[in-house]
Amino acid sequence: GAGVSQSPSNKVTEKGKDVELRCDPISGHTALYWYRQSLGQGLEFLIYFQGNSAPDKSGLPSDRFSAERTGGSVSTLTIQRTQQEDSAVYLCASSSVHEQYFGPGTRLTVT
Amino acid sequence: GNSVTQMEGPVTLSEEAFLTINCTYTATGYPSLFWYVQYPGEGLQLLLKATKADDKGSNKGFEATYRKETTSFHLEKGSVQVSDSAVYFCALSKPYNFNKFYFGSGTKLNVKP
Repeated sequence: GAGVSQSPSNKVTEKGKDVELRCDPISGHTALYWYRQSLGQGLEFLIYFQGNSAPDKSGLPSDRFSAERTGGSVSTLTIQRTQQEDSAVYLCASSSVHEQYFGPGTRLTVT
Repeated sequence: GNSVTQMEGPVTLSEEAFLTINCTYTATGYPSLFWYVQYPGEGLQLLLKATKADDKGSNKGFEATYRKETTSFHLEKGSVQVSDSAVYFCALSKPYNFNKFYFGSGTKLNVKP
């Protein structure tokens, strides 16, 4: 069974551009999470999807950030009008009961 | 609210030294507790977990015991190796907020030969 995959692995973009980051969770996992990890920092929770429930968006830092999950599987995190402070590693995780599995992350660099 | 507090790093030890990384939590009810490890250049992976009070999670020589009376889940290893150098994250999940996870800020461990 494949693990959580994310694409792209690296993304360099110019300030002001929009970016889309993709996450493919483990098949059958109903919960999906996005986190941000800045250099040398801990995990910053962004958004959480659980089944068909409304997502928990409480961690999104601004309205430039949004995420969707189509068909209860693949998720896309979109950052509009990127800023340099958005540079970080964006981690996706999916979970079964009582355990999260992380993807390798997307390293975003805004120049 | 729910939160996890870890000791600040970095922690620097010599090979074969004893390791303790402290973790305490705040939660109502009976959370599950986890330690995740992030090796340099890699993603997070589960190291060990405990789902109820007095449970001991163990893996790769690491251990942590779920102590409800002290709301703690300290990570220990009797003899660290250079290959244990990584960042360690303590986390909890709330059983009635299914799968909502809360992470500590991480503790970097450097083991010197």
